[in-house]
Parts: sequence; C-alpha cells; structure tokens
Amino acid sequence: QLQLQESGPGLVKPSETLSLTCTVSGGSISSSSYYWGWIRQPPGKGLEWIGSIQYSGSTYYNASLKSRVTISVDRSKNQFSLKLSSVTAADTAVYYCVRHNEGYEILTGYYTCYFDYWGQGTLVTVSS
Amino acid sequence: QSVLTQPPSASGTPGQRVTISCSGSSSNIGSNTVNWYQHLPGTAPKLLIYSNNQRPSGVPDRFSGSKSGTSASLAISGLQSEDEADYYCAAWDDSLNVVFGGGTKLTVL
Repeated sequence: QLQLQESGPGLVKPSETLSLTCTVSGGSISSSSYYWGWIRQPPGKGLEWIGSIQYSGSTYYNASLKSRVTISVDRSKNQFSLKLSSVTAADTAVYYCVRHNEGYEILTGYYTCYFDYWGQGTLVTVSS
Repeated sequence: QSVLTQPPSASGTPGQRVTISCSGSSSNIGSNTVNWYQHLPGTAPKLLIYSNNQRPSGVPDRFSGSKSGTSASLAISGLQSEDEADYYCAAWDDSLNVVFGGGTKLTVL
C-alpha cells in the first residue's frame, strides 16, 4: 500500500523559506505514470494546489505561487520536496503531499487530473 | 474566492439522499473532468470520485458523481452519520492550474 509522509519544521519565521519533504513508501516515485504534488489548507479555509513534479523533474505550479515555489525530486531517496520562499502569515496552513494521477480520457479527450494518495498532513505556522 | 463554486453547507437526515453542486466555467469543468474529495476533521482528504463519475476501490456505491456542461454534482444516497464531512470538488483549469471549490460542509441531522 502506497504511503506518503510529510516532514519538516512546524514553525517558520516571516520572510524565510518553508521547506518540507515527502517520503514515499510502498511504491516507486520513478513511475512515468504519475506526478507528485503539494496541496495546502489554511486554517478555516479550503484546499489549494501548490504544484506538482514528475520523476524526470518536469514541474508545474499554481500561477499565484509560482514565483515563490520550487518542487524537486530525489529519486535515490524516493522523496520529493517543497520550498516556498518569502513566507508570510498567509502561508500558515496544513501542507499535504499527494500522488497526482493525470492523463487524457481516450473516449472523450477530456483531461483528467486527481490526487489519489495523500499524506497525513503537517501544520506549518509562520510566526516570529 | 474559489474558482469553482459550491454551497457552503448542506444537510440531510439518515437514509436521505443529498446532492452537492459545483459550478465552474468552460476553462475547467467545461473542458476537463471533475473530482470530489471527502475531508473528515483531523484526517487527510480522501478521493471520493474521479473523472466525473468513477469511484476508487473501496468507496461505497452510495456516492455518485455527474457532470453536465460547466457544472457537476455529487450525490450521496442512504445518508449515514459517518458521511458528515467537508466535500470539495476540483478540476484542471486550462490556465494550467488545479482549481478547487470552496468546500461544502455536510451535516447529518
């Protein structure tokens, strides 16, 4: 059974860089069938996709966060990581790592994109 | 302000059928598939419906999804107390973003 586990500091100071790592177990991150991503949920608010990466290093990011986000992958450790720079209190959230399944439906041509495995989430607070 | 629009709340009694709507536009729901997630407090969100109407293994057939034009719906039949949760719709947007609805809090009365 595939499992994802986030790790990293729970407290980050304003203007600094938030860094999280997701360790994947029970499966290989080096599958061309999937992307691996990050989603966050600020307290009392909804879900927000941050970005995703494939094992090859191909990435795409939420346009509203793109200037501050870097997602990388370490195939040797079966891990992928998130860096979010210049954080403010608005970046306080529970951060989830996810497996991102995507592709085109053969019959309809529609693009399908969903998150089928989630980590348990980790709360990151931005405060001095 | 979320790109996809959901009602903030919904409710029903045990055994009842409830539906949750999700409204988008031609750049997201209108041209891509819709997914639904169930989020129980203190747990990770769970994929409930993908590709408009497909259930992952283990999801009861009480849950069903549909899409028409730029809107989608999640239906829950035979409502149970354990269905009390937040429900989110999501879709790919042609602006190269994954977009979510604001979430609907389902209360089982």
